Amino acid sequence: DIVMTQTPLSSPVTLGQPASISCRSSQSLVHSDGNTYLSWLQQRPGQPPRLLIYKISDRFSGVPDRFSGSGAGTDFTLKISRVEAEDVGIYYCMQATQFPRTFGQGTKLEIK
Amino acid sequence: EVHLVESGGGLVQPGGSLRLSCAASGFTFSTYEMNWVRQAAGKGLEWVSYIFSGTNTINYADSVKGRFTISRDNAKNSLFLQMNSLRAEDTAVYYCVRGSGFDYWGQGTLVTVSS
Repeated sequence: DIVMTQTPLSSPVTLGQPASISCRSSQSLVHSDGNTYLSWLQQRPGQPPRLLIYKISDRFSGVPDRFSGSGAGTDFTLKISRVEAEDVGIYYCMQATQFPRTFGQGTKLEIK
Repeated sequence: EVHLVESGGGLVQPGGSLRLSCAASGFTFSTYEMNWVRQAAGKGLEWVSYIFSGTNTINYADSVKGRFTISRDNAKNSLFLQMNSLRAEDTAVYYCVRGSGFDYWGQGTLVTVSS
């Protein structure tokens, strides 16, 4: 199974400041079709998860452009350019390149 | 607008069975792969099962293989998860999730396995 490891597990951030979350996979996420199925999800308190970013860097419909994804192979990053109060929650990376699908442990974003 | 509504959760004793349903609307259900993902209270996300749009490809997490069965009824825009031989560790909120991109999630249904 592909293990997804996120750092940090907790990230206190000042409103208006940037935030960054890293995700590393135990093996390459490049699929045989050439795509890399690495996604980022946001889970606000009391809500189901919501897709933010798919295939490393594609923003899902309705996601603000302050969210961006980057990376390749086994190392990936989610960046928030200027954190807003509504960004509080837990962020997960996940891979859909191989079965079983696997998720990172989650990174809790909170406001200082 | 895409909607996924899970139902069928509840309290069940260890060793018991439960059948979850997911009613889909707002998209052409028959053309999408579907998943079940669960989340124990205060814990992270765990993928449970996947079914291809045409039901000919199915996958399970090792933790549920042999006990859970995923199925779908494309005529009724519905996804199902038959859960047998339930254990305490199956206690979680179960989410119905669209596609290989995991792009839409239902609100979830709570399954509690306890005596």
